[in-house]
Amino acid sequence: SQQGEEDPQALSIQEGENATMNCSYKTSINNLQWYRQNSGRGLVHLILIRSNEREKHSGRLRVTLDTSKKSSSLLITASRAADTASYFCATDAWGAQKLVFGQGTRLTINP
Amino acid sequence: DARVTQTPRHKVTEMGQEVTMRCQPILGHNTVFWYRQTMMQGLELLAYFRNRAPLDDSGMPKDRFSAEMPDATLATLKIQPSEPRDSAVYFCASGLPEAYEQYFGPGTRLTVT
Repeated sequence: SQQGEEDPQALSIQEGENATMNCSYKTSINNLQWYRQNSGRGLVHLILIRSNEREKHSGRLRVTLDTSKKSSSLLITASRAADTASYFCATDAWGAQKLVFGQGTRLTINP
Repeated sequence: DARVTQTPRHKVTEMGQEVTMRCQPILGHNTVFWYRQTMMQGLELLAYFRNRAPLDDSGMPKDRFSAEMPDATLATLKIQPSEPRDSAVYFCASGLPEAYEQYFGPGTRLTVT
């Protein structure tokens, strides 16, 4: 069963705009991770945020975590056509690397 | 650069046949994961190993699926007998326990007719 629910399921924006994806989960966590999957490829790790962190940045990525609301968001700024992919959040309840993935957000960047 | 490799990339087989998928984790990674991805169920963890020992295989149908690590450079996932509902993309991933993030292979797309 899926721990995370992602919202929206699909998002289509113009190149240069910002993209925001949300993830909600059900149980307490040790950390939450975001992954990207290009069509027909494996997942690529983007960023990890620990339960005691509220915000983290990596290049054009910004992740926030609100453990009181059991939710996280991923912001991609100044989007590019190459950002077109599916994005998944994954929760690790115990720090044992047993990840539970959400259903993903399919992001399309229009040139 | 270091990558997880999986073979075969595609497999089409008939119901009842045995299927073996192989994975070579990144050298030095001592944790290996097997996932299955379908449109309906999304990405599900089937089993994972640390230092070649199974840590958790609760996501795997035990009657037909088996996972092993014969050595540190090879992980296998076997389905016997295969069924049409096993059609999916199977991913292997590897990592280090202290680093949390996982590195995925390109997947094996399995079609059972």
